[in-house]
Amino acid sequence: AQSVSQHNHHVILSEAASLELGCNYSYGGTVNLFWYVQYPGQHLQLLLKYFSGDPLVKGIKGFEAEFIKSKFSFNLRKPSVQWSDTAEYFCAVTSGSYNTDKLIFGTGTRLQVFP
Amino acid sequence: DGGITQSPKYLFRKEGQNVTLSCEQNLNHDAMYWYRQDPGQGLRLIYYSQIVNDFQKGDIAEGYSVSREKKESFPLTVTSAQKNPTAFYLCASSSDRDRYNEQFFGPGTRLTVL
Repeated sequence: AQSVSQHNHHVILSEAASLELGCNYSYGGTVNLFWYVQYPGQHLQLLLKYFSGDPLVKGIKGFEAEFIKSKFSFNLRKPSVQWSDTAEYFCAVTSGSYNTDKLIFGTGTRLQVFP
Repeated sequence: DGGITQSPKYLFRKEGQNVTLSCEQNLNHDAMYWYRQDPGQGLRLIYYSQIVNDFQKGDIAEGYSVSREKKESFPLTVTSAQKNPTAFYLCASSSDRDRYNEQFFGPGTRLTVL
């Protein structure tokens, strides 16, 4: 069965620090990968996604993620965080089959950014 | 303005009572989902439906029931059989034409059992 691991449960940073959140998945076939973000009091929304092609994908608000197939990883990065990035971040994976597989979420990483 | 609405935002219930959470979407999406979110556990799938009048159990369906009589609506009933119902419930939908299953989420309902 597919699973997603997010090893950082709670990350605390100062503004302008660099961010990297880890995400590893277990599935040997083709995967589609997502990062979702949940700002305080707001909907869960898509940050970025990877389906195929360039393994470095760029999302909204300056976030990017790199798919490394050999490491089964899809880490999220941002060079310089802002206070407004304070949120919970979820990595998710589904197989490459046509809309037949469920979206499997990681347990989430809570990011706090202090001014 | 397309989107997913969930009501109510906050819900309180006494032990032993059933309660129904509403989820409506006007995105013309075929598939709809219910998740439960607990601190430190991420999102866990309760039920999902890929077409009207059909639905499947997710990973934690016990104590819950759903119906899908209309494409736009996918209500979730939390029954008295659910042993630990206090949680944040999220509804989502996706398009059948999107082979990558990108899901769009509603604002959630926070259920508290007193």
